[in-house]
Amino acid sequence: GQNIDQPTEMTATEGAIVQINCTYQTSGFNGLFWYQQHAGEAPTFLSYNVLDGLEEKGRFSSFLSRSKGYSYLLLKELQMKDSASYLCAVWGNNNDMRFGAGTRLTVKP
Amino acid sequence: EAGVTQFPSHSVIEKGQTVTLRCDPISGHDNLYWYRRVMGKEIKFLLHFVKESKQDESGMPNNRFLAERTGGTYSTLKVQPAELEDSGVYFCASSQSVLGPYGYTFGSGTRLTVV
Repeated sequence: GQNIDQPTEMTATEGAIVQINCTYQTSGFNGLFWYQQHAGEAPTFLSYNVLDGLEEKGRFSSFLSRSKGYSYLLLKELQMKDSASYLCAVWGNNNDMRFGAGTRLTVKP
Repeated sequence: EAGVTQFPSHSVIEKGQTVTLRCDPISGHDNLYWYRRVMGKEIKFLLHFVKESKQDESGMPNNRFLAERTGGTYSTLKVQPAELEDSGVYFCASSQSVLGPYGYTFGSGTRLTVV
């Protein structure tokens, strides 16, 4: 079976830093993706990690530990427009992605 | 380039009726995927086409769902007859070759409501 777990909801303040965690147990591992999805819109690609460590891309960073089955997405200098759902997805043995339920982030002034 | 296009964006049908969802992938993308998100739950994999062939349909919930991709271009997902539990957002995604570091490009989804 496959399990991809992330918190359901998080709230943070504009300008702050927030870390969204994801743990996974999957059949095989070829990489982990983070997607952002605003309500009513398509999920959009944020990051991809296949090796352990931190990948930084502007205000967003993503970390992976394969031995722990763990990843996080770090958002810095939060802006109101960052309010969205953040989806953790794992590329396993099949040529497709399997998703967690998503974390709904609310950024407050 | 045009993105992944899905039609319709919304559909409300009665239980027992038939609905057909359409997905136009990015031109040249051989891989096409269907996913579904039921309210409050994760986006769940339904199936994967490589060109016109079904590579993996392990996520299709039952035989009321039929997906086709004639000619390896656009794809349709037909639900017949629809049941209440089929309500959700159906996403289509495409990628050029095997899944790689840029993931898929998703469409905006079709919100299906069965009443």
